[in-house]
Amino acid sequence: EVQLVESGGGLVQPGGSLRLSCAASGFIVNSNYMSWVRQAPGKGLEWVSIMYSGGSIYYVDSVKGRFTISRDNSKNTLYLQMNSLRAEDTAVYYCARWETYSGTYAFDYWGQGTLVTVSS
Amino acid sequence: EIVLTQSPGTLSLSPGERATLSCRASQSVKSSYLAWYQQKPGQAPRLLIYGASNRATGIPDRFSGSGSGTDFTLTISRLEPEDFAVYYCQQYGSSLYSFGQGTKLEIK
Repeated sequence: EVQLVESGGGLVQPGGSLRLSCAASGFIVNSNYMSWVRQAPGKGLEWVSIMYSGGSIYYVDSVKGRFTISRDNSKNTLYLQMNSLRAEDTAVYYCARWETYSGTYAFDYWGQGTLVTVSS
Repeated sequence: EIVLTQSPGTLSLSPGERATLSCRASQSVKSSYLAWYQQKPGQAPRLLIYGASNRATGIPDRFSGSGSGTDFTLTISRLEPEDFAVYYCQQYGSSLYSFGQGTKLEIK
């Protein structure tokens, strides 16, 4: 069974840092495209970043230079290092798998999300 | 960057009625890369439709997707009580991904 479990969220001051983790089971992270999507309180979904199986990485403009996506193959885990955090980064952060093998080309599995609150 | 605009923002219907949700793109989107998701309060989004018209695993056949180019539609043929939720369209293009702002489907 495919499962994604995020952790690492919490309260952080503006300018601070936080690292989110997404532990995967039921599939191999480094053989798939893995992404972070966030949702500010009461707002819609916003794509944040993606890491392809081959290692290519992309970010939404608003987090470039501040956020870094990475993975640990030995732990089958995806990460999001968030630096220089701003109030507008406050959101629930979901990790999601972008399915390509079956021709689906969509986010087919999602974690339950972890809340990041940036406030003084 | 492709911007997706969903309409209406809120749709008020009764169980048993037909729902039609629209997603319009600022540039042409390859149909293979257009998906729809359902999100209920406190839950993660769930994939409903991929490739503009293909139902994901386990999705009832009352859900259908259509469209091409810049105009896409999600139709729910007969609303069930569990279908009242927020729906998002999403596209991929040029290594960037984006979501529409969502349509809230509420009980009338």
